[in-house]
Amino acid sequence: DQQVKQNSPSLSVQEGRISILNCDYTNSMFDYFLWYKKYPAEGPTFLISISSIKDKNEDGRFTVFLNKSAKHLSLHIVPSQPGDSAVYFCAAKRFGSSNTGKLIFGQGTTLQVKP
Amino acid sequence: DAGVIQSPRHEVTEMGQEVTLRCKPISGHNSLFWYRQTMMRGLELLIYFNNNVPIDDSGMPEDRFSAKMPNASFSTLKIQPSEPRDSAVYFCASSLWGTSNQPQHFGDGTRLSIL
Repeated sequence: DQQVKQNSPSLSVQEGRISILNCDYTNSMFDYFLWYKKYPAEGPTFLISISSIKDKNEDGRFTVFLNKSAKHLSLHIVPSQPGDSAVYFCAAKRFGSSNTGKLIFGQGTTLQVKP
Repeated sequence: DAGVIQSPRHEVTEMGQEVTLRCKPISGHNSLFWYRQTMMRGLELLIYFNNNVPIDDSGMPEDRFSAKMPNASFSTLKIQPSEPRDSAVYFCASSLWGTSNQPQHFGDGTRLSIL
């Protein structure tokens, strides 16, 4: 029962172009979403997040879009740089009265940015 | 600022031996999470603590796995006896749990190999 899905295992883009990473979820109770970046031999690093009350959040070159009706979110990186080459994980959390901290992660998408 | 610190970084041991993984969360964080990453199952939550109390251990695979958090600055994940299928990268993460959404911050993981 994969509640958070990243259907593209890998993505390759040219330096300077836009990278778009996609994520779908099935649980309508999720209302907080995060993107993490992971380099080899390191732990995942928090990148950007979005609450379900918003449909867009921007931080420098990184923008996350949320489409609640489609249960879909995407991460845009513009412009892409070779240092962005990493595995990107989408994660979701239910934030309610239980106030749990449990995150559900997708399988990850490996991004390669070519110089 | 010191991040989440995990030790050891690598562990190689023989089947049947006891393995203890250690984690020091970020100072001031009151939630701690243990994850396991494998090729087959991706990044999966094993157990998490709020204020040193285990909240959800439904991800712990078997009774061979146990986790403790004796104080706010230290946690252990123990496997006894270990088996080859336990080979994976184990991550610890911490966050500030409360009324607002806070991202989890990960350590660099322990790569465990059971021969």
